Amino acid sequence: GESVGLHLPTLSVQEGDNSIINCAYSNSASDYFIWYKQESGKGPQFIIDIRSNMDKRQGQRVTVLLNKTVKHLSLQIAATQPGDSAVYFCAENLKTSYDKVIFGPGTSLSVIP
Amino acid sequence: DAGVIQSPRHEVTEMGQEVTLRCKPISGHNSLFWYRQTMMRGLELLIYFNNNVPIDDSGMPEDRFSAKMPNASFSTLKIQPSEPRDSAVYFCASSLGTSGTHEQYFGPGTRLTVT
Repeated sequence: GESVGLHLPTLSVQEGDNSIINCAYSNSASDYFIWYKQESGKGPQFIIDIRSNMDKRQGQRVTVLLNKTVKHLSLQIAATQPGDSAVYFCAENLKTSYDKVIFGPGTSLSVIP
Repeated sequence: DAGVIQSPRHEVTEMGQEVTLRCKPISGHNSLFWYRQTMMRGLELLIYFNNNVPIDDSGMPEDRFSAKMPNASFSTLKIQPSEPRDSAVYFCASSLGTSGTHEQYFGPGTRLTVT
């Protein structure tokens, strides 16, 4: 079935270090993946996306890696800052499901000053 | 643009009462989504519309929930009658809805408490 899974991880990192948040997805038919950031009391906010024909995409301080062989997605945040503290969700879109995306359970990132 | 607008931001009601949540999507966006977020179940898609037409309502929990989109700039999610287990944060999101563009813009959410 359709599912994107994070196994309830909480990640604590020191300010200035790099963060890596992982995500496993189960549907090999998914062709588009998105990372969202949700700060306390706010709605999720788009960070970066990647299509299945790519294995890496970089943004400002963020990099998403896609390994279709093992159905794994990761978000790397360089030089983590206190403002990066939030819950991060990966989401997948099935090629046949138009606009519908399925969100994973999320990872809580805490940055230690 | 003001982004996706939701009202009310907070709603406290008693079990059995009707609750109506409102959403104004970003102008020009063709797709609108309703989500529910709880600690136990995470972020769940309830229903989504494209060009005001419901496309997938498989996430709607039961008949007590209904959603409408009478025009491109307004949608409602109604719960009647409400129950304590409906307590959650309800998000509305919109997207351009064109092929290859899936970024969703979320509203601030409505925090619903049913006592």
